[in-house]
Amino acid sequence: GQSLEQPSEVTAVEGAIVQINCTYQTSGFYGLSWYQQHDGGAPTFLSYNALDGLEETGRFSSFLSRSDSYGYLLLQELQMKDSASYFCAVRPALTGGFKTIFGAGTRLFVKA
Amino acid sequence: NAGVTQTPKFQVLKTGQSMTLQCAQDMNHNSMYWYRQDPGMGLRLIYYSASEGTTDKGEVPNGYNVSRLNKREFSLRLESAAPSQTSVYFCASSDELGEQFFGPGTRLTVL
Repeated sequence: GQSLEQPSEVTAVEGAIVQINCTYQTSGFYGLSWYQQHDGGAPTFLSYNALDGLEETGRFSSFLSRSDSYGYLLLQELQMKDSASYFCAVRPALTGGFKTIFGAGTRLFVKA
Repeated sequence: NAGVTQTPKFQVLKTGQSMTLQCAQDMNHNSMYWYRQDPGMGLRLIYYSASEGTTDKGEVPNGYNVSRLNKREFSLRLESAAPSQTSVYFCASSDELGEQFFGPGTRLTVL
């Protein structure tokens, strides 16, 4: 089957760096995406890795290693507003890339 | 640009009732999606429409039907609501396989 695994919760201190891991079991997909969702809100797109390596967007970076079936989201200079749930997602190529699979999400708590 | 809009925002149904959730996007996207999100869980794909005129089943299609009315609109219908369909429903759109833009969600309770 196809699945993604993420830690359920992560806690970090304001100003620190936190890494949220995502391991997956799916063969052939169009890259790894990350979405952020605040309580009561809609998911919003953060980053996308089509190829192996690191992608940086401001305080957020994302990494993909297809050979290790692994990716992560790195949040630097944590702020209180970063407290939210973070989801990794893939688009399996076998189904044409439209049947997006999301992980169960990692809830990030940022403490003062 | 309003992005992706959904109506209604909240709905309470009794078991066996039917209803249609509406979704519209103004970004000229070809692809649209319906997801459900249960408490503490990720998003699960119900149906998607890769382009106008086509629809396909996602991960959890049972109990639902969809209509891609035109390029802008993609509706989700519950013919006979069940308590197991209590969830938050999100509509999304994307340009082909690009990032998905989500609507604000519909919070549905089935009693």
